[in-house]
Amino acid sequence: TQLLEQSPQFLSIQEGENLTVYCNSSSVFSSLQWYRQEPGEGPVLLVTVVTGGEVKKLKRLTFQFGDARKDSSLHITAAQPGDTGLYLCAGGVGSSNTGKLIFGQGTTLQVKP
Amino acid sequence: DVKVTQSSRYLVKRTGEKVFLECVQDMDHENMFWYRQDPGLGLRLIYFSYDVKMKEKGDIPEGYSVSREKKERFSLILESASTNQTSMYLCASSFVHSINQPQHFGDGTRLSIL
Repeated sequence: TQLLEQSPQFLSIQEGENLTVYCNSSSVFSSLQWYRQEPGEGPVLLVTVVTGGEVKKLKRLTFQFGDARKDSSLHITAAQPGDTGLYLCAGGVGSSNTGKLIFGQGTTLQVKP
Repeated sequence: DVKVTQSSRYLVKRTGEKVFLECVQDMDHENMFWYRQDPGLGLRLIYFSYDVKMKEKGDIPEGYSVSREKKERFSLILESASTNQTSMYLCASSFVHSINQPQHFGDGTRLSIL
């Protein structure tokens, strides 16, 4: 069974601080997706990383896929209250026609003004 | 924009009832998924479907069934609701053509079984 371990599960920081969320597995994934979920809404895709070692930036968010495609990280620079939410990593599994994802447990981020 | 619509935001049912959760997507996606979301456990896949009338079990199918009679609609059925099925249920859809396609989610149904 493929598992994704996400850490930390909870993070409460002050506005302006930096943070990193980790997503680790012993399995290789074809891709890694990061989603953000706000209260009362479904998860929304932030980014997909596909190639080992790939780095993608989305404003103050930097996503990295490990060289061996077993882990990923999300780094937020100068966090703002609008970054508050649940962050989920998800790895692509199964055959290409199913689009199945395995999700991590999620990281709840609270950014205080 | 892709729209995935779940029929109810909140639902309260009694133990033993048969419960139907409905999901409709408007982007002609082949794949559709049902998850339950519980604190500290992330999203766990209940069932998914990659075509009309096709379905496959996910990681936690016990106590649930699904129906996909039309491409745009995917229903989750709790055959005899139990209190341990109290949870947030999320529906999602995606294109079939690539394993790297994002999933598009509805806003969820918070189901309470009393």
